[in-house]
This record gives sequence, C-alpha cells and structure tokens, in this order.
Amino acid sequence: AQSVAQPEDQVNVAEGNPLTVKCTYSVSGNPYLFWYVQYPNRGLQFLLKYITGDNLVKGSYGFEAEFNKSQTSFHLKKPSALVSDSALYFCAVRALNSGNTPLVFGKGTRLSVIA
Amino acid sequence: DGGITQSPKYLFRKEGQNVTLSCEQNLNHDAMYWYRQDPGQGLRLIYYSQIVNDFQKGDIAEGYSVSREKKESFPLTVTSAQKNPTAFYLCASTPLTGPGHYGYTFGSGTRLTVV
Repeated sequence: AQSVAQPEDQVNVAEGNPLTVKCTYSVSGNPYLFWYVQYPNRGLQFLLKYITGDNLVKGSYGFEAEFNKSQTSFHLKKPSALVSDSALYFCAVRALNSGNTPLVFGKGTRLSVIA
Repeated sequence: DGGITQSPKYLFRKEGQNVTLSCEQNLNHDAMYWYRQDPGQGLRLIYYSQIVNDFQKGDIAEGYSVSREKKESFPLTVTSAQKNPTAFYLCASTPLTGPGHYGYTFGSGTRLTVV
C-alpha cells in the first residue's frame, strides 16, 4: 500500500527566512513524488515532481524539493519565503511500477508566512 | 485555453436530494478522478476512470456514483445515501500515455453544502 505523511499541520515562517515543509512516503519499490499548492477555494496547482535522476528537484515559484531514498522523504524547500507563499501544500506519491494507480495525497500542511 | 472545468462553483443540497457535479476537460486526457476534501483530512479518492465506459471505486465511494460516457466528461452524483456530503469536491485529469510521467491537472472545485 502507498501512503504519505505530512507531519506538520501548520508551518509558520517569517518573510525572507528559509522554509521547509516535510513529507515522508511509503511505497513498494521506487516512487513518483509530487508537490502541489492550493490557494483558498481553488484547485491544486502543480509545483514540482521527482521521477528519477537528481535528488534535488527545482520547481515553480522558486521552490525545490530533495528526494532522500534512505529516509523516504521528499521535503519541500524555499531559500527565502514570501507572504504570497502562504497556502496549503500537499505531497503525493505513486509507486513507479504500480501501473496507473491513482496518486495518494498527504493531509496537507498549511504554510503561513508572516511579514 | 486547455483546462478542466468544474461547475457549479457552489451547490446547495436539501436533505434527501441527489445532486450532480460537472467535470469537463479539453486536454484530451485519458484518466479522470474525483476527490473529496475536508479540513484536516487531505484529499480522499471517490472514483476514477481511465477509459470511457469504465470506472473504479476509490476509498470513499459509498453514496456516490459516476459515469464516463465521453472522454471529456466525468460527472459525479452525490446521492441521498451519502450522509455527510458537505465538502469541497475536486476533479482532476491526467494523460496515461506519452513520453512523460504526469501529475494531475485539477479543476477549481465545487463546494457542496447541505441545507
């Protein structure tokens, strides 16, 4: 079975400081990993994905994520947070060799960037 | 512009009523999905379809029904058997063939409230 854990319901960070939103996963075999962002009353927007290759993945709006196979983690990071980054962030996973099974999403982490 | 359209944006249901949420995409995507979002519970899969005239139950299918008569359309009916339907409903789509490994494109969601 596939699963995703986002251990923090809420992350608060001051504007200009680095931010990290944590994600750990469990799959059989190698994973496809994704990060999405959701603004109020909107759908989810794709930020970045890891399939294979470099463990550091760069995505939209200056976000990046580091894949760590030994720790089964895929934490989202940004060097300098903006107030406009305040939103709900979701991590999602699917096993590489699972055919076309649906993505499994975490419960989300609310990021609040304070000016 | 290509995209995925959900309608209506807001929907009110009386006790005992069936209501249908619309999801249409013009991206020529093969697979379509319905998720339910409740505060603190993330996204939970209701139904998905990978091909016309075929669909599979997700984790919380009870009280819901779907159809996939056209590739572009995947309507969700919330029946009177769904005892707690108040939630934010998200539709998503993705291609299943091609050179890449794709995440999902999401609609803007429908907020359903029982009155």
